[in-house]
Amino acid sequence: AQSVTQPDIHITVSEGASLELRCNYSYGATPYLFWYVQSPGQGLQLLLKYFSGDTLVQGIKGFEAEFKRSQSSFNLRKPSVHWSDAAEYFCAVASNRDDKIIFGKGTRLHILP
Amino acid sequence: SAVISQKPSRDICQRGTSLTIQCQVDSQVTMMFWYRQQPGQSLTLIATANQGSEATYESGFVIDKFPISRPNLTFSTLTVSNMSPEDSSIYLCSVRTGANTEAFFGQGTRLTVV
Repeated sequence: AQSVTQPDIHITVSEGASLELRCNYSYGATPYLFWYVQSPGQGLQLLLKYFSGDTLVQGIKGFEAEFKRSQSSFNLRKPSVHWSDAAEYFCAVASNRDDKIIFGKGTRLHILP
Repeated sequence: SAVISQKPSRDICQRGTSLTIQCQVDSQVTMMFWYRQQPGQSLTLIATANQGSEATYESGFVIDKFPISRPNLTFSTLTVSNMSPEDSSIYLCSVRTGANTEAFFGQGTRLTVV
């Protein structure tokens, strides 16, 4: 069965600094990978997704993620964070055998002014 | 994409009672799921709602506690039965419109059990 690990529960960065959120997955074949963001009291919004092809994926709000098969990772990056990026970020994985999507435990991002 | 409507958006219920949550999708979808998000936690998959057959439950979730109906390709219900305060969570309906798509989510039902 597939699983997702987000090793960092909380991350704090200064506004304008770069950001990298880590995500490791466990799945035997090529997974489908996602990053979602949830702002306080809000619903889930898809930032980006990877199914195949170019391993560097561009998303909304200036985010990108890189799929590295050798490291079983799909880390999320942003070159310069804004105060509005403070939120909970979830990495998720789906298999191409069944349809369900499994979520990591999330990383809460705090932004220092 | 898909637009998902959930009802109710929130409710406060007495322990020992049951609540049925409705999920309506604006288009026919084959893949529909129910998740739970406990306070400050991530999303946990409860079950896959299968049209015309019994739902497929994840480990730790059972039909007697969380009965699910899926009468057609646009509608599903989740019932939280014999509720206790530990059932206080946000319950989310989700769909996928194809194998190579992301999950779309409703706004959720915020349940408080007192």
